[in-house]
Amino acid sequence: QKEVEQDPGPLSVPEGAIVSLNCTYSNSAFQYFMWYRQYSRKGPELLMYTYSSGNKEDGRFTAQVDKSSKYISLFIRDSQPSDSATYLCAMRRAAGNKLTFGGGTRVLVKP
Amino acid sequence: GAVVSQHPSWVICKSGTSVKIECRSLDFQATTMFWYRQFPKQSLMLMATSNEGSKATYEQGVEKDKFLINHASLTLSTLTVTSAHPEDSSFYICSVQPDRGLGQPQHFGDGTRLSIL
Repeated sequence: QKEVEQDPGPLSVPEGAIVSLNCTYSNSAFQYFMWYRQYSRKGPELLMYTYSSGNKEDGRFTAQVDKSSKYISLFIRDSQPSDSATYLCAMRRAAGNKLTFGGGTRVLVKP
Repeated sequence: GAVVSQHPSWVICKSGTSVKIECRSLDFQATTMFWYRQFPKQSLMLMATSNEGSKATYEQGVEKDKFLINHASLTLSTLTVTSAHPEDSSFYICSVQPDRGLGQPQHFGDGTRLSIL
């Protein structure tokens, strides 16, 4: 079993819909949680970064972390075709700096 | 704007050639940088951790003599793929861990697509 599980998709939604993404993990030592967006043939771009449990909002993006359930989510409101990409969750322990990635979810926003 | 600059973005070369990839941190100093490899439709695989002023730390199964890493300054790390062969063809991505305090997220370069003929 992988340390971080993420549905590979593809997740297809109409423009304007809410995109809901999530990851589950098994290691309770993870303290920092990140969401990255990766376009084809580009490097990952940091979208959201949270520490421990709670919610964080930035524009159309909301990240949620539930450490008791070992479950993190990313919501994208008012989705646009330009949001079509692969979304990677990543997390790491408090000590050390190695990231553990989910496999990525491919998202398609149709106009 | 970009916080990490990675060059070149695409390299095509003959088998047996050595290829150098540069990763520069544009906005902050970084004692630690990372090199990843990504295969099509797969997630990132960490190859090594680059440490300024000391040797790189390689992940299990990664040949250190094949993938030479030099962290020349607090803003520059290079990855050299020595005597590259077709099986080394892949997408290589670097990331930077800012030296700004605990818990900083990694920022990634735009990757280098390496094609060995």
